[in-house]
Amino acid sequence: DSGVTQTPKHLITATGQRVTLRCSPRSGDLSVYWYQQSLDQGLQFLIQYYNGEERAKGNILERFSAQQFPDLHSELNLSSLELGDSALYFCASSDGTGSSEQYFGPGTRLTVT
Amino acid sequence: GEDVEQSLFLSVREGDSSVINCTYTDSSSTYLYWYKQEPGAGLQLLTYIFSNMDMKQDQRLTVLLNKKDKHLSLRIADTQTGDSAIYFCAERGWGGGNKLTFGTGTQLKVEL
Repeated sequence: DSGVTQTPKHLITATGQRVTLRCSPRSGDLSVYWYQQSLDQGLQFLIQYYNGEERAKGNILERFSAQQFPDLHSELNLSSLELGDSALYFCASSDGTGSSEQYFGPGTRLTVT
Repeated sequence: GEDVEQSLFLSVREGDSSVINCTYTDSSSTYLYWYKQEPGAGLQLLTYIFSNMDMKQDQRLTVLLNKKDKHLSLRIADTQTGDSAIYFCAERGWGGGNKLTFGTGTQLKVEL
């Protein structure tokens, strides 16, 4: 158990809908990262937050947004969903001080039908 | 941009050593990582190496880094059936937050 929690574990929704994925980092970690794992794109970095502020952005679509709240949990919002958004979405956390270790949550499997 | 490549499959016999290879392109990589993913599970951090090191050993795991050739390997000694999984190599560059760039993953199959 990495100490990073993600909910829900599975999500099935229809095209055009909007969903919210939630992540709680390990105790004491200030940085949260979101990654997408799909069969065709592999594991890709989406976005990073540090202590409530956006720190880095990767290949995140404009239909996707994220935020980190004062209690450090983070949410990834996916809207106008398309079939191609079906993937595993991982959250990871680190202490954000330049520490080398990023610990991953169990992921949320999103299926868009 | 950064690119990380791995071979897709590796099959070994139980008790043998496994060597999983990875190449990367980012010359500013600071840390390089190995993660393990079992079916239906998340990514488990196995080990990592700082870019100014050339070797790191952690129990059955040995990481070798050839910075000149941008080549990273993970050796698993005395491979067991429980080691069957997908192994991902990842690199962290300098700046741009601490994002990781992952390889495609190598599926390790351990046969009896």
